[in-house]
Amino acid sequence: AQKITQTQPGMFVQEKEAVTLDCTYDTSDPSYGLFWYKQPSSGEMIFLIYQGSYDQQNATEGRYSLNFQKARKSANLVISASQLGDSAMYFCAMRYTGANSKLTFGKGITLSVRP
Amino acid sequence: GAVVSQHPSRVICKSGTSVKIECRSLDFQATTMFWYRQFPKKSLMLMATSNEGSKATYEQGVEKDKFLINHASLTLSTLTVTSAHPEDSSFYICSASRDSWSDSNQPQHFGDGTRLSIL
Repeated sequence: AQKITQTQPGMFVQEKEAVTLDCTYDTSDPSYGLFWYKQPSSGEMIFLIYQGSYDQQNATEGRYSLNFQKARKSANLVISASQLGDSAMYFCAMRYTGANSKLTFGKGITLSVRP
Repeated sequence: GAVVSQHPSRVICKSGTSVKIECRSLDFQATTMFWYRQFPKKSLMLMATSNEGSKATYEQGVEKDKFLINHASLTLSTLTVTSAHPEDSSFYICSASRDSWSDSNQPQHFGDGTRLSIL
């Protein structure tokens, strides 16, 4: 079974500063993918970034980067130069490699960006 | 633009009503779609996996007679909440992926969700 853990309470960050959102996972399968999604108060789920278990380099997408430490089973999201629009819930998720495999979500972290 | 469309976005209805929610993949064929339920400030709970042309696979604890899923085509899955009661009030959201074994690293694309309120 796979499990995603997000234990941080609500996070606060000053506008223009960087913030790290923690995610650890547990799996016995060597082939998997890790995802981060953003959910603003309007409810839609916005895909941010993906990291494959065999990827050698940390994924980056604009202001988002993923600090992937495979041995520690962690996949922390780093948001640089925070903007007010970054205020939202952030979910870490995981799925096994394979057709139609399910996403397992962490419980999420609420991020608030202060002006 | 959106690749998965979900309708309606909001429903308010009386107890005992059945409510149908549609999830469409707009520019790709989705043999599999997923239905989630989410309570305020909580995570997404997978309810069922919708398979085109076959029966849905329900997660443990989800009443399949209460939450009817039909995946009649490669671009449309529907979730019907039958005889809805106030405890069924929630945010329901669907997702789909352009899935094949080689594409399993592709993200699931989500609809915008449906806020269901049963009075």
